[in-house]
Amino acid sequence: DQQVKQNSPSLSVQEGRISILNCDYTNSMFDYFLWYKKYPAEGPTFLISISSIKDKNEDGRFTVFLNKSAKHLSLHIVPSQPGDSAVYFCAASRMDSNYQLIWGAGTKLIIKP
Amino acid sequence: NAGVMQNPRHLVRRRGQEARLRCSPMKGHSHVYWYRQLPEEGLKFMVYLQKENIIDESGMPKERFSAEFPKEGPSILRIQQVVRGDSAAYFCASSPQLGENTEAFFGQGTRLTVV
Repeated sequence: DQQVKQNSPSLSVQEGRISILNCDYTNSMFDYFLWYKKYPAEGPTFLISISSIKDKNEDGRFTVFLNKSAKHLSLHIVPSQPGDSAVYFCAASRMDSNYQLIWGAGTKLIIKP
Repeated sequence: NAGVMQNPRHLVRRRGQEARLRCSPMKGHSHVYWYRQLPEEGLKFMVYLQKENIIDESGMPKERFSAEFPKEGPSILRIQQVVRGDSAAYFCASSPQLGENTEAFFGQGTRLTVV
């Protein structure tokens, strides 16, 4: 039973364009969402997060949108750069579960020059 | 301030042997989490520990797997009598605490290969 789903295993985007990575979840009790970025042979690194009381959080080129009614969140990267090529993981947590992270399977983003 | 350190980076074990994976959290972090990533899958939570305590081990297989985080020294994930299906990347993360506005910092992982 996958509580956090990233339905696109990979995504290819032209450099300079917008990259949109999607994530769906099934548990309405999640109250905190995070995006991590992972390069090959390295551990995930934190990118951006959003609390369930918000619908948008922005940090430089990265913006995360949360649609609670649709149980959907997305990560927008504008403009996309070659260094953004990586696997992006969506994760969700609940305060009453010690904020244990539940992870999606990841989306591999490829930025084409 | 060194990040989360995991060693070894790569570990090869024959079926039936024991694997010991070590994780030194970031300085000042007393919460450690272990995750496993199988090929083509996301990270799966295994266990959450604080110093000398296992807080949540709901993701740990019931047999052959154990974890500890002693008062002194690194956290250890131990897999006894390894089987081929244990081959995976094992990641450790640490945090001062986990809650809203607190993210976990990850080590580079240990890639276990069982031959």
